[in-house]
Amino acid sequence: NAGVTQTPKFRVLKTGQSMTLLCAQDMNHEYMYWYRQDPGMGLRLIHYSVGEGTTAKGEVPDGYNVSRLKKQNFLLGLESAAPSQTSVYFCASSRPTSVESNEQFFGPGTRLTVL
Amino acid sequence: SQQGEEDPQALSIQEGENATMNCSYKTSINNLQWYRQNSGRGLVHLILIRSNEREKHSGRLRVTLDTSKKSSSLLITASRAADTASYFCATETSGSRLTFGEGTQLTVNP
Repeated sequence: NAGVTQTPKFRVLKTGQSMTLLCAQDMNHEYMYWYRQDPGMGLRLIHYSVGEGTTAKGEVPDGYNVSRLKKQNFLLGLESAAPSQTSVYFCASSRPTSVESNEQFFGPGTRLTVL
Repeated sequence: SQQGEEDPQALSIQEGENATMNCSYKTSINNLQWYRQNSGRGLVHLILIRSNEREKHSGRLRVTLDTSKKSSSLLITASRAADTASYFCATETSGSRLTFGEGTQLTVNP
């Protein structure tokens, strides 16, 4: 059981370049999330998905797009990278067992630098 | 804006001492969760406390929740050097979304 995996672990982009971050989970979780973590600001939700084929905006969605074509994968795309998108990106997944409980399982993160 | 705010931002203690971290939030919640993050790693879930619970224990962890004051505390007893990490509170207000605080950096000195 690998849990939540993220690809790549590190990436350096030039302003204007595009890239896709891949998140995969093998726990059959319905819900998946993309966060960014900046120094002193905790984690902020970018986009999330409550099931295959569905996505929704989080707190800071601008400049990012996502897709959930398969239940186990959640892709985060940057169409035209900007230095403000330099951050550490975390993917998470969960399978709520009730209306309330929602423990999330996190991947190891992708460190992205935009020059 | 961040739902949860943590206090202190940084805490340094000696091995064997207890560590207490506090979290305050602004709106009504379904539950509050605590996560731990080792340097350069992803977050790991520690404990969840529901809005109708006041206290919960898990091993050396004790969490309290005061919904009237909109605050929670995490107590780590008999701390170890391996407890050195950042600790985050996260609140679930609706659906499946969590809002994280900015974290407390705990350093446990051997």
